[in-house]
Amino acid sequence: AQKVTQAQTEISVVEKEDVTLDCVYETRDTTYYLFWYKQPPSGELVFLIRRNSFDEQNEISGRYSWNFQKSTSSFNFTITASQVVDSAVYFCALSEAGLGTGTASKLTFGTGTRLQVTL
Amino acid sequence: ETGVTQTPRHLVMGMTNKKSLKCEQHLGHNAMYWYKQSAKKPLELMFVYNFKEQTENNSVPSRFSPECPNSSHLFLHLHTLQPEDSALYLCASSLTPAGDMSDTQYFGPGTRLTVL
Repeated sequence: AQKVTQAQTEISVVEKEDVTLDCVYETRDTTYYLFWYKQPPSGELVFLIRRNSFDEQNEISGRYSWNFQKSTSSFNFTITASQVVDSAVYFCALSEAGLGTGTASKLTFGTGTRLQVTL
Repeated sequence: ETGVTQTPRHLVMGMTNKKSLKCEQHLGHNAMYWYKQSAKKPLELMFVYNFKEQTENNSVPSRFSPECPNSSHLFLHLHTLQPEDSALYLCASSLTPAGDMSDTQYFGPGTRLTVL
């Protein structure tokens, strides 16, 4: 069975600090995809990034960066120079293929990390 | 209007009421999903629809009844709910119906449901 662990329940930082959100996953699949979503207080899960299991290159998008390490089954997310608007719950997720042709893929989510950024 | 929309955003109902949640996606996607998000629990997948056909029912109690009249609309009919059903109900959609694990799900803002 697939599993995603986000051990950090809550993190509080002061604005402009860097913060890393950890994600560890378990899967027996050799091909899989990992995702990060942001859930602000409004409730909507906002897609941030998708990474496949064959691409271990780190990715940077503005203040966001992701470190994928297959050897440790981790896909960590770093926010540089955090801002108050980054306050949200962040979810890591792992996809598995559908059960057969014509079935949709499924996501396994972690329990989320609540990030609080204060002035 | 773009993305995935859900109505109502908030709903309070008694245990004997019947209500429906609505989800609409404007992305041209072919798969739609219902999730339940309770406090301090991972998102729970409830139902998956693929080209209007239900392909997943994750052991959801019969008091939750989904309906997908077309690829753009998804409903969740509620009846005789329990207080423990209070949660945020999220709808999502994705483009590819063929079990493509690279498929990204896009979520609506959710309906905050309170059962009294």
